[in-house]
Amino acid sequence: GDQVKQSPSALSLQEGTNSALRCNFSIATTTVQWFLQNPRGSLMNLFYLVPGTKENGRLKSTFNSKESYSTLHIRDAQLEDSGTYFCAAHTGANTGKLTFGHGTILRVHP
Amino acid sequence: DPKIIQKPKYLVAVTGSEKILICEQYLGHNAMYWYRQSAKKPLEFMFSYSYQKLMDNQTASSRFQPQSSKKNHLDLQITALKPDDSATYFCASSRLGNQDTQYFGPGTRLLVL
Repeated sequence: GDQVKQSPSALSLQEGTNSALRCNFSIATTTVQWFLQNPRGSLMNLFYLVPGTKENGRLKSTFNSKESYSTLHIRDAQLEDSGTYFCAAHTGANTGKLTFGHGTILRVHP
Repeated sequence: DPKIIQKPKYLVAVTGSEKILICEQYLGHNAMYWYRQSAKKPLEFMFSYSYQKLMDNQTASSRFQPQSSKKNHLDLQITALKPDDSATYFCASSRLGNQDTQYFGPGTRLLVL
């Protein structure tokens, strides 16, 4: 089964609304990264998390290692937030391997 | 200026041929990686290198060979190309080769006919 499960798989938001994306991990996870893949295909870094919470503008992300999940909250969604959001897990092995979820496709509409 | 350069951006190849995907990073990082993104699959880890030494290889096929001529270069040679190899190949780098933040290049989109 999937070691990193993302939900929802797709999401449509009206501009100005809020939402949350989630990743559940079935592998022991030490750190988490969140990325946004834009329509051109580039992967942009959003967050790097050890257990805890970080905030950057309208985005806020939490990684709870004890309960094996991470969330990404989007506040006041804007059209430019559209794209595919990926979470990725580092496990305990120190090889640098990131295990990715399948992604959440987000469309923000006027 | 782009900090991770991948060349070419697009590549079309015929089945059975060989291609080299280029990756250079100008972030001063010591670890580099290759990932593959195929249609309807999540990004898949392929290789990791730290200080030009192989750390991990999760690629089942020996047709995929990374080549590191300098610390900031990690090219990917693919031989005997198959249509199933069609994917976008992403190079990434991090300061250290363990659980450090990884930064991704723009990708090379490969189509094998």
